[in-house]
Amino acid sequence: DAMVIQNPRYQVTQFGKPVTLSCSQTLNHNVMYWYQQKSSQAPKLLFHYYDKDFNNEADTPDNFQSRRPNTSFCFLDIRSPGLGDAAMYLCATSARGAGSGEQFFGPGTRLTVL
Amino acid sequence: SQKIEQNSEALNIQEGKTATLTCNYTNYSPAYLQWYRQDPGRGPVFLLLIRENEKEKRKERLKVTFDTTLKQSLFHITASQPADSATYLCALDIDTDKLIFGTGTRLQVFP
Repeated sequence: DAMVIQNPRYQVTQFGKPVTLSCSQTLNHNVMYWYQQKSSQAPKLLFHYYDKDFNNEADTPDNFQSRRPNTSFCFLDIRSPGLGDAAMYLCATSARGAGSGEQFFGPGTRLTVL
Repeated sequence: SQKIEQNSEALNIQEGKTATLTCNYTNYSPAYLQWYRQDPGRGPVFLLLIRENEKEKRKERLKVTFDTTLKQSLFHITASQPADSATYLCALDIDTDKLIFGTGTRLQVFP
């Protein structure tokens, strides 16, 4: 089945230690997103790609970076995680031009910062 | 800035009843509005989309209405079941490829 895959599902890191979260998709969608979601809060868009075009949200901290080496893969790099970065990180995809704007989400990576 | 409000922190209803969830928004005129279901520890799953020129959309036991004058969408689950227990998020398109999500309403259906 076509899907969005995130690895790992759970990630524990230490304060200030860089961490990379991974996302892959088999949907061949041209748009990929990274969201941060904290408990009982709305998913908050960090950035998204349309193909290789990178779009950063104005309020996304510089501590967060992303790479999309090809259509299928996208990475979220947190350069120096702080305690406030503990959250669920959601990867999603969509197909621009499909008409619906429906986003397909992965299962998320739960990040713990010690 | 765009603001989305979803009714109450939690909605508890009895199995078999109709659940009605509310999504209100301000400062934006979306071309469409979407509803997602999110289970604990999982990513959201798309349920329904309704466009600005549509008043109502149905899918099985789900019904969504969209009132662009009131800036409100209602999401109904008829004949609710315990398996419907989850958090339901509404989302508006705010730009090409971009959605803004509400905080969600947690629905609990009791047998």
